[in-house]
Amino acid sequence: SQKIEQNSEALNIQEGKTATLTCNYTNYSPAYLQWYRQDPGRGPVFLLLIRENEKEKRKERLKVTFDTTLKQSLFHITASQPADSATYLCALPYTGGFKTIFGAGTRLFVKA
Amino acid sequence: GAVVSQHPSRVICKSGTSVKIECRSLDFQATTMFWYRQFPKKSLMLMATSNEGSKATYEQGVEKDKFLINHASLTLSTLTVTSAHPEDSSFYICSALHDTQSGSYEQYFGPGTRLTVT
Repeated sequence: SQKIEQNSEALNIQEGKTATLTCNYTNYSPAYLQWYRQDPGRGPVFLLLIRENEKEKRKERLKVTFDTTLKQSLFHITASQPADSATYLCALPYTGGFKTIFGAGTRLFVKA
Repeated sequence: GAVVSQHPSRVICKSGTSVKIECRSLDFQATTMFWYRQFPKKSLMLMATSNEGSKATYEQGVEKDKFLINHASLTLSTLTVTSAHPEDSSFYICSALHDTQSGSYEQYFGPGTRLTVT
């Protein structure tokens, strides 16, 4: 079955550094992959979508890579700020439908 | 960006009563909406797919008679938790599917509803 893995351990980094989060998936060849941000007690917020034929995508301080050979996506936040502290979710579409499967998320803490 | 609202944000109800949660897409039409449930520090668990004008599609293990879903218009889906029990206490989140018109879809989530059953 389709499976998404994100590092369950929280990531702690210093303000100004680059945060890198990893998403791995198995038994699957998605047409695209998405990243969401979720703050405590709130619904997820869509950040970026990257397609299978795109190697990299950028949006302001965010950068996402998508390696379909490794079945892995990396999510980078450059010049991180305390306001970037949140849980970041990786998501993939189910095969043949509109449903989405979410990873458990990685909690990021940026220290001032 | 697309906005999805959810109401109420928090609700406390007594065991045995029913509670309705509304999900609205404010600036786009959504033929498909989803209802999720999330436990603390866990990922979102898809409960059902809400389809405008037709019956919802429930995921395995989700009781359709307990979690009633109605998607009567292109901007509104409702989830009714019937005969609520304390184990139904959770964070319920809806999302609406937005067609990007470029071969992919984006999900926009509501802010969530915290349900507490006493």
